[in-house]
This record gives sequence, structure tokens and C-alpha cells, in this order.
Amino acid sequence: KQEVTQIPAALSVPEGENLVLNCSFTDSAIYNLQWFRQDPGKGLTSLLLIQSSQREQTSGRLNASLDKSSGRSTLYIAASQPGDSATYLCAVKTGANNLFFGTGTRLTVIP
Amino acid sequence: NAGVTQTPKFQVLKTGQSMTLQCAQDMNHEYMSWYRQDPGMGLRLIHYSVGAGITDQGEVPNGYNVSRSTTEDFPLRLLSAAPSQTSVYFCASSYSGRVTSTEAFFGQGTRLTVV
Repeated sequence: KQEVTQIPAALSVPEGENLVLNCSFTDSAIYNLQWFRQDPGKGLTSLLLIQSSQREQTSGRLNASLDKSSGRSTLYIAASQPGDSATYLCAVKTGANNLFFGTGTRLTVIP
Repeated sequence: NAGVTQTPKFQVLKTGQSMTLQCAQDMNHEYMSWYRQDPGMGLRLIHYSVGAGITDQGEVPNGYNVSRSTTEDFPLRLLSAAPSQTSVYFCASSYSGRVTSTEAFFGQGTRLTVV
């Protein structure tokens, strides 16, 4: 069974810092990996989708990388802002089209 | 374009009651699924469907039923609510098949409390 782990579970940084969130998965046979943002009491907002054949994707201040062979992905956030405070979830899609989620990293950006 | 719409947003049930959580999408996605989110557990798959008339069990299906009579709708039924089903429920949809660039879209969630 696919296991997805996110480290750290929580992270606090001062505004303006660059930061990296980590995601690892146990089975490298994935179709894609997706990073989501979740605000308290809200749904999931898709941030970046990396296909299994890709190495990275970028959107604005966000950059996600994928190393499928080692079962790792990172989400890099540049010049963090208080509005980036949220929980970040990574999920991998398997052959059955199902998503396996990590438990998330709760990010707090301090003004 | 509404995306994925879930109703209700909040619900309180008594133990033993039944109810249906509604999910609708307007993106013509073949694949739809239900997850529950519990503290410290992440999101876990309850049931999923790859198209109208086809459903299958996920990781935690016990106590839940689903059906898929149309492409747009995928309701989740709680047959006899139990306190262990207190959770936040999310519906998701995406294109399916062997397309690898299938981005998943999620509804806003239903917060269910069983007392």
C-alpha cells in the first residue's frame, strides 16, 4: 500500500524567507503528484500538478520538484508572505486513479 | 463553471440516523471519489467511481454506500450513523483512464458530527 509522509508537520518562518516542504512516498509507480493548499475549515485548492514524466513545475513563487525513483517531492516557496499560512498537502495518484495523501505541513508565516 | 459542489456544508446527526451527502460536478469528469479527513490521519478514500454505473470501495468503505446514476452526481449515503463517522467529508473529481495529467478538483467539504 502506498504510504505518503510529509515533513515537517508544522513550520513557522518569518515573512520573506524562502522555505521547502518535503513529501516522500513508498511506491514509485505513480501517475502524478499534486500539491494542495488547505485553509482552516476550507476545502483543498490545487497548487501544482507534476506528471510522472516531469521533474518540476512552477507557478509564481511556487516550485515543485519530483524525483520518482527516490520517492520524493519538494515544494519550494519563495519570499514567503503571511497569506501563505495554511496547511500544505501532497498526494500521489496511482494506477487505479486514486489519490494517497500525506498528513500535511502546517505553515505559519510571521509578519 | 461551479466545479465540485457539496451539500450540506454542516450536519449534525444522532446515532443511528441515516443521511445522504450530495456531490455534483459540471466538468464532465468520469472519475469521482469521496474522502474523509480526520485529525492526524490525512485524507482517506471511502468510495470511488470511474463512470456512471460503476463504483468501487476505497480504504475505509464500511458504513457508507454510493451510487453513480449520472456523470454529474455521486452521492454518499450513511446507512446508520455512528460517532466514529464524525469527520469532514470531501468529494473530488477528475478525468480518468490512462491520462496522466489528470488534476483532481475538490469540493468545499461537509463537516459531519454524529452525537
